[in-house]
Amino acid sequence: DSGVTQTPKHLITATGQRVTLRCSPRSGDLSVYWYQQSLDQGLQFLIQYYNGEERAKGNILERFSAQQFPDLHSELNLSSLELGDSALYFCASSDRQGAGEQFFGPGTRLTVL
Amino acid sequence: ILNVEQSPQSLHVQEGDSTNFTCSFPSSNFYALHWYRWETAKSPEALFVMTLNGDEKKKGRISATLNTKEGYSYLYIKGSQPEDSATYLCAFMNRDDKIIFGKGTRLHILP
Repeated sequence: DSGVTQTPKHLITATGQRVTLRCSPRSGDLSVYWYQQSLDQGLQFLIQYYNGEERAKGNILERFSAQQFPDLHSELNLSSLELGDSALYFCASSDRQGAGEQFFGPGTRLTVL
Repeated sequence: ILNVEQSPQSLHVQEGDSTNFTCSFPSSNFYALHWYRWETAKSPEALFVMTLNGDEKKKGRISATLNTKEGYSYLYIKGSQPEDSATYLCAFMNRDDKIIFGKGTRLHILP
């Protein structure tokens, strides 16, 4: 158990809908990273927050947004969902802004029908 | 285009044998290189974070080296055990905060 929690574990929804994925980092970690694992693309970095501020952006679509709250939990919002958004979404936390060890949560499996 | 290559894609190793595999990454604008171990149906687990050219890190029977000038890192496993069967991922982080993952090396340990 990495100490990072993600909810829900599974999510099934329809195209065009909007969902919110939640991540609670390990106690004391200020950085949260979001990743997408799809069958054809491998693991892709989406976005990083550090202590409430956006720090780095990867291949995140404009339909997706995220935030980190004062209690350091983070939410990833996915809107206007398409079939291709079906994937496993991981969050990871670290105690540093940059090159710190990252601890991954169990992931949220999103299925868009 | 930032590209991270891992080779081989897949590897079968007899229990007790040692093995190694490679991660190649851009040699410019380097910040860090991460290695992860990823078992099926679980989440990636951090093995090493390497930042300095010439770095060597070790955790039990697993070790890694880093060459940032030529853009490669090796992961070594000594005396492979069945529990080493997993996918080994590397991730390159540059100074612009981009993180790029390789596609992994899938390691199978044969009893």
